[in-house]
Amino acid sequence: NAGVTQTPKFQVLKTGQSMTLQCAQDMNHNSMYWYRQDPGMGLRLIYYSASEGTTDKGEVPNGYNVSRLNKREFSLRLESAAPSQTSVYFCASSGVPGQGDYGYTFGSGTRLTVV
Amino acid sequence: ELKVEQNPLFLSMQEGKNYTIYCNYSTTSDRLYWYRQDPGKSLESLFVLLSNGAVKQEGRLMASLDTKARLSTLHITAAVHDLSATYFCAVDRYNNNDMRFGAGTRLTVKP
Repeated sequence: NAGVTQTPKFQVLKTGQSMTLQCAQDMNHNSMYWYRQDPGMGLRLIYYSASEGTTDKGEVPNGYNVSRLNKREFSLRLESAAPSQTSVYFCASSGVPGQGDYGYTFGSGTRLTVV
Repeated sequence: ELKVEQNPLFLSMQEGKNYTIYCNYSTTSDRLYWYRQDPGKSLESLFVLLSNGAVKQEGRLMASLDTKARLSTLHITAAVHDLSATYFCAVDRYNNNDMRFGAGTRLTVKP
């Protein structure tokens, strides 16, 4: 089925460890995003990629890096995990900005706990 | 800075009743979204509203947009238990990928 696939679904890290969250979409979307969701705060944008080869910071980029590997894949890396990064992470993709009524498609999420 | 406020944050209602969730945003935006999230699940897109006066309906849910007031409403008609979920509104602008979310409204529909 077409959509956004995230891996892993669950992860527990120790403080200071690193890891990469993977995301792939098969809808030929140009734009991809990484959000984090914390209780009572809605979703906040970490980084986004408007097109292949470009990435930009969102609202809460500190402590994260991203790579737009190709049009399909957009990864999020935590170089040195901290307890404040305990959250649920969602990847999303969307069509071309400025072309009207397009929506965002979200992946199933990664529940990350940093101890 | 673009800010999005939803109210109420928690809503408990009985089946068969009507209610409205409100979404205010702070600066001019081009698109207003409503999403649904079930516990432990991802977000499901419900509506995308593009212009002043836009109204969209799907089943017991109807969303509207007043760009002059920077206000969107999600109206629930004759609620049923299956509508229990958290509802988020979000806004963004054309050629700007920074979609901002409200904190969400947790809706519980009781028999």
